[in-house]
Amino acid sequence: DTAVSQTPKYLVTQMGNDKSIKCEQNLGHDTMYWYKQDSKKFLKIMFSYNNKELIINETVPNRFSPKSPDKAHLNLHINSLELGDSAVYFCASSQVGGAGDTQYFGPGTRLTVL
Amino acid sequence: GQNIDQPTEMTATEGAIVQINCTYQTSGFNGLFWYQQHAGEAPTFLSYNVLDGLEEKGRFSSFLSRSKGYSYLLLKELQMKDSASYLCAVSPRGGTGKLIFGQGTTLQVKP
Repeated sequence: DTAVSQTPKYLVTQMGNDKSIKCEQNLGHDTMYWYKQDSKKFLKIMFSYNNKELIINETVPNRFSPKSPDKAHLNLHINSLELGDSAVYFCASSQVGGAGDTQYFGPGTRLTVL
Repeated sequence: GQNIDQPTEMTATEGAIVQINCTYQTSGFNGLFWYQQHAGEAPTFLSYNVLDGLEEKGRFSSFLSRSKGYSYLLLKELQMKDSASYLCAVSPRGGTGKLIFGQGTTLQVKP
């Protein structure tokens, strides 16, 4: 199936730990994104990469570090997890990354920090 | 500042028509998207408007007025499976692909 996939789907961890979420797309898109959706359902952009180059870097604590080994993969590493990091994290991809480019979302990773 | 407003919740009856409004104030405008998100699932693309007017796609239509900073999503012949959140998102100035989302409207369709 052509899609955007993420692992893991659920992640439960203790405060202070470091964790990673992986994302892969096989749509042949050049641009990938990370979004955070909080308990009020606001979906907020965190980062985007175009062909391994960082394009969007919103005001996100530097405990969050994205890494794109190639244009089909975008991983998110989070250091020193805090309670407020609990949310659903969505990866997305789009063909070019310009205005009007439809973004396709992965299934999400529900992160719970205890 | 960037601001996108949608009603938080709406209820409608199966078979009816419902209109979900979205107003926006953003720094520049490069188009407006509507996404559908079922509980616990990923947002899925419904429509994109960049010019004023109505875009129709089967039971779903989306309207845009750039001068008024206003859009709506119209759902006809409602089905139970249309119960979901509907997210309005604006592509602001910059052309980077950045989207600013509203908080979404949770639609409940009742028999």
